[in-house]
Amino acid sequence: QTVVTQEPSLTVSPGGTVTLTCASSTGAVTDSYYPNWFQQKPGQAPRPLIYSTSKKHSWTPTRFSGSLLGGKAALTVSGVQPEDEAEYFCLLYYGGPRFGEGTKLTVL
Amino acid sequence: QVQLVESGGGLVKPGGSLRLSCAASGFSFSDYYMSWIRQAPGKGLEWVSSLNSFGSATFYADSVRGRFTISRDNTKKSLYLQMNSLRTEDTAVYYCARSFYDSDNRAFDIWGRGTMVTVSS
Repeated sequence: QTVVTQEPSLTVSPGGTVTLTCASSTGAVTDSYYPNWFQQKPGQAPRPLIYSTSKKHSWTPTRFSGSLLGGKAALTVSGVQPEDEAEYFCLLYYGGPRFGEGTKLTVL
Repeated sequence: QVQLVESGGGLVKPGGSLRLSCAASGFSFSDYYMSWIRQAPGKGLEWVSSLNSFGSATFYADSVRGRFTISRDNTKKSLYLQMNSLRTEDTAVYYCARSFYDSDNRAFDIWGRGTMVTVSS
């Protein structure tokens, strides 16, 4: 059973920078896993932020960026805003898509 | 605007059946793969099923294969999920999502607001 691992929780101060990561139990994450990132706030549907490692949707704020870092997919938020407090899910494509368990980001 | 609206959720007993629908608007529905993704209460996201733009190729998670059937009607711009032999662990919000696949990209880029399915006796 392939497992996608994310940090359970992270805390960041407003205006700070935070990096969330997404690891695969099969080994290093590469572009061929087409990493995606989603933001979800309570009671709302997930909102896509990043696809194919680093590509942004038209609605993605510029402070969000995606990359590969140390064998993992990474989502960096620079200049964190209070409204960025949310759950963040990564997605990797194997034979079928598989989501991580999510990272709860607290802005404090 | 581009929109997906799910319907058909509700309360069903274990072993029962339910059919979900997803109505698309604002884009050329027949050009896109479509998918269902679910989220159990307080849990993470789980991909359930996808199908190609023609409806001729279908893909399922192991947890639902043989029980769920995905289909589409491009003339009605609608996606469906027939769920049979439902189990308590199928309880979740079910989201419809537009998908795109090409040689360089994979994404679920448009999501509906979801419909709740509760399997309980």
